[in-house]
Amino acid sequence: DGGITQSPKYLFRKEGQNVTLSCEQNLNHDAMYWYRQDPGQGLRLIYYSQIVNDFQKGDIAEGYSVSREKKESFPLTVTSAQKNPTAFYLCASMGQGSFTGELFFGEGSRLTVL
Amino acid sequence: GENVEQHPSTLSVQEGDSAVIKCTYSDSASNYFPWYKQELGKRPQLIIDIRSNVGEKKDQRIAVTLNKTAKHFSLHITETQPEDSAVYFCALTSYNQGGKLIFGQGTELSVKP
Repeated sequence: DGGITQSPKYLFRKEGQNVTLSCEQNLNHDAMYWYRQDPGQGLRLIYYSQIVNDFQKGDIAEGYSVSREKKESFPLTVTSAQKNPTAFYLCASMGQGSFTGELFFGEGSRLTVL
Repeated sequence: GENVEQHPSTLSVQEGDSAVIKCTYSDSASNYFPWYKQELGKRPQLIIDIRSNVGEKKDQRIAVTLNKTAKHFSLHITETQPEDSAVYFCALTSYNQGGKLIFGQGTELSVKP
């Protein structure tokens, strides 16, 4: 069953802890993206990668880090430097490296900082 | 940076009525305008998109119109049904920001039976 798998679905973290959200795709897509969703603010781009071993900052990259060592995987680390990390995080992929195509989203990971 | 203003933020209609959601933008170089639907608790999914060389595109009960001169594009849903209830996001590629896809704030559509 092709698609994008995010894990965990729900995650609780204490302040000062780093946490890594997993994103795996078996669509053979070149490009992968991380978005943050907050009520009333739409989807904001955190990081994106258009090819393996390369990634770029999005609009709200501060306090986050990523890696793209494999085509299938694009994990996101929410560091203790992120001031307001409680949010819903969506991973997505696209077949080609530009943004002018269909984004396929995962089911999301909801992070709550206690 | 580029802003996409989406209105209204909430919209309630009776089943069978039409619904219109509008987005305005400022980057005249934008050339791709998709719409995503996110049902409660589910992932966003592309429902329709339009490119700048086309003024209107239809797919059954949904249509998107683009006015490049006025820099706005709209989603039209006719004969609404309860299953159309969802959050709808407009988006566009912003070449002023390296070609990234920028999303609007979302519209929560409620269709009352």
